[in-house]
Amino acid sequence: SQQGEEDPQALSIQEGENATMNCSYKTSINNLQWYRQNSGRGLVHLILIRSNEREKHSGRLRVTLDTSKKSSSLLITASRAADTASYFCASTRGNNDMRFGAGTRLTVKP
Amino acid sequence: DGGITQSPKYLFRKEGQNVTLSCEQNLNHDAMYWYRQDPGQGLRLIYYSQIVNDFQKGDIAEGYSVSREKKESFPLTVTSAQKNPTAFYLCASSRGPADNEQFFGPGTRLTVL
Repeated sequence: SQQGEEDPQALSIQEGENATMNCSYKTSINNLQWYRQNSGRGLVHLILIRSNEREKHSGRLRVTLDTSKKSSSLLITASRAADTASYFCASTRGNNDMRFGAGTRLTVKP
Repeated sequence: DGGITQSPKYLFRKEGQNVTLSCEQNLNHDAMYWYRQDPGQGLRLIYYSQIVNDFQKGDIAEGYSVSREKKESFPLTVTSAQKNPTAFYLCASSRGPADNEQFFGPGTRLTVL
């Protein structure tokens, strides 16, 4: 079963705007990762945040983790048309218990 | 897609046939994984292997089989016992356990005719 649930399922914004995607999970985790997938391609790792971290930055990406609410958010600032893709969160409970959500499909209009 | 390759990119199979999907990595990673992705869905784990000659079932292993005879290779066989095999199959590898970053191949789209 899927542990993570992304919200919203789809998001459409204009270039230059910020995009926020949320992820909720059901059980305690070791870490949470965000991945990006262009249509019909493999996934690309974006960022990993550990359970004892609350916020992490990488370029235009900002990830937060709230373990009390079992949720995470991914913020993409100053979005570009090239950011158009599906974004997945993946939560890890143990050594090989990694669960992906259904993803958020982001469309950035030029 | 890093140093992990999958072949073929597209695969067509008749009902009742077994088919093997290839996955090779040159990243010297210990762990390898197979996922299935259905349209508009996330990834579901089929099998994973943490070390050569060892592999474990994931959430949806029924109708699939794997082998890990070499560190670099983790082929997946979709058997005729898999009732709904049409899907996008993704292979991944990581340095160690799943809580490390996973590197994904480009995927194989399997269609059963």
